[in-house]
Amino acid sequence: NAGVTQTPKFRVLKTGQSMTLLCAQDMNHEYMYWYRQDPGMGLRLIHYSVGEGTTAKGEVPDGYNVSRLKKQNFLLGLESAAPSQTSVYFCASSYSIREGNQPQHFGDGTRLSIL
Amino acid sequence: AQKVTQAQTEISVVEKEDVTLDCVYETRDTTYYLFWYKQPPSGELVFLIRRNSFDEQNEISGRYSWNFQKSTSSFNFTITASQVVDSAVYFCALSLIQGAQKLVFGQGTRLTINP
Repeated sequence: NAGVTQTPKFRVLKTGQSMTLLCAQDMNHEYMYWYRQDPGMGLRLIHYSVGEGTTAKGEVPDGYNVSRLKKQNFLLGLESAAPSQTSVYFCASSYSIREGNQPQHFGDGTRLSIL
Repeated sequence: AQKVTQAQTEISVVEKEDVTLDCVYETRDTTYYLFWYKQPPSGELVFLIRRNSFDEQNEISGRYSWNFQKSTSSFNFTITASQVVDSAVYFCALSLIQGAQKLVFGQGTRLTINP
């Protein structure tokens, strides 16, 4: 049982480059989330999705785009990477309220460095 | 808006001591969840507990215990007879019960247990 899988685990980018982080879950969860973790600030929500084809902004959405074309996948894109986006990115998923409202399952994180 | 504050940035104790991690939260909503997560040096997020705002009973799980007090908006975490393996960053978080369950995290407390 893989749970939540994030790809890649590490990446180094140059300023201005683009990339996509992939999150895949095999638990048939309705909700998916992207957070970033910076030193001394805890985790902050970037974007989230309450179902296939729907996305919404979180607390710190600027500079990121997301897509949820398939229920099991949630992609986070950086169109033009900036050093301020150097962070550890976590994906999470959970059932919806009507399905039992269980705590979020987290992936192992992606460490991203922008030079 | 919701806010979670963990005033203790770092705590260092000697093995076998008891240690309490503080968490204070702010929300205008009457229905919410409170969480504790553990992040060991390997980096993943480990779910420890979820409490809902209707249940103020304290909870004990082995050496771990949690004290939820709505009157002071606090959800404190105590480790009894600490062990070196308890060394980690601990996060307190809050989400509303309705809606997309977006987590709002505190800044985290780095706990070091010295042998």
